[in-house]
Amino acid sequence: GAGVSQSPRYKVAKRGQDVALRCDPISGHVSLFWYQQALGQGPEFLTYFQNEAQLDKSGLPSDRFFAERPEGSVSTLKIQRTQQEDSAVYLCASSSGGGIGTGELFFGEGSRLTVL
Amino acid sequence: QQPVQSPQAVILREGEDAVINCSSSKALYSVHWYRQKHGEAPVFLMILLKGGEQKGHDKISASFNEKKQQSSLYLTASQLSYSGTYFCGTDNYGQNFVFGPGTRLSVLP
Repeated sequence: GAGVSQSPRYKVAKRGQDVALRCDPISGHVSLFWYQQALGQGPEFLTYFQNEAQLDKSGLPSDRFFAERPEGSVSTLKIQRTQQEDSAVYLCASSSGGGIGTGELFFGEGSRLTVL
Repeated sequence: QQPVQSPQAVILREGEDAVINCSSSKALYSVHWYRQKHGEAPVFLMILLKGGEQKGHDKISASFNEKKQQSSLYLTASQLSYSGTYFCGTDNYGQNFVFGPGTRLSVLP
């Protein structure tokens, strides 16, 4: 596609359920980022991939959060045993630059997760 | 570490100017600026890679002082379409890429 695609756009989960959020970056983009954005806040860094390698996962809030990008293209962010504090918009961004910060980040529309 | 932005919010009349500041306690290699409108994804404005660099397009420009670890975004003759939340993003020499808390700009007619 022409841009970064995320699915689902909206997800309502019951507390304790597992969820999986998908990101399809712009074709050929090396770098892929996941961010968590709470209402009225800035995007909070979660994790960063360069191709299939997860180079930084320091922002993942707990071991309930897991991200993968097995073939260096599509990425999945999985949240196990969801809690109410996980409610947020999860943004995916990709960049053609091989190094962090060297190129423009293209963002998807985000996946809005609501945990009841 | 997350950069600091100031002011938190600003209200302007159409045609007025504004400055948004971004600073970091860590050494920076680059600074990005993005604008996000309500319910939409952040959109790239510009990237500054070198200390002392200045860039601009249309009536939006920015400067980056690497030594002071600061960047400023300048909006001149603001238009209604400039309304939104502005985020600076910084990389800490390849460790990660983090955004500031944002500055909410409202331009009134």
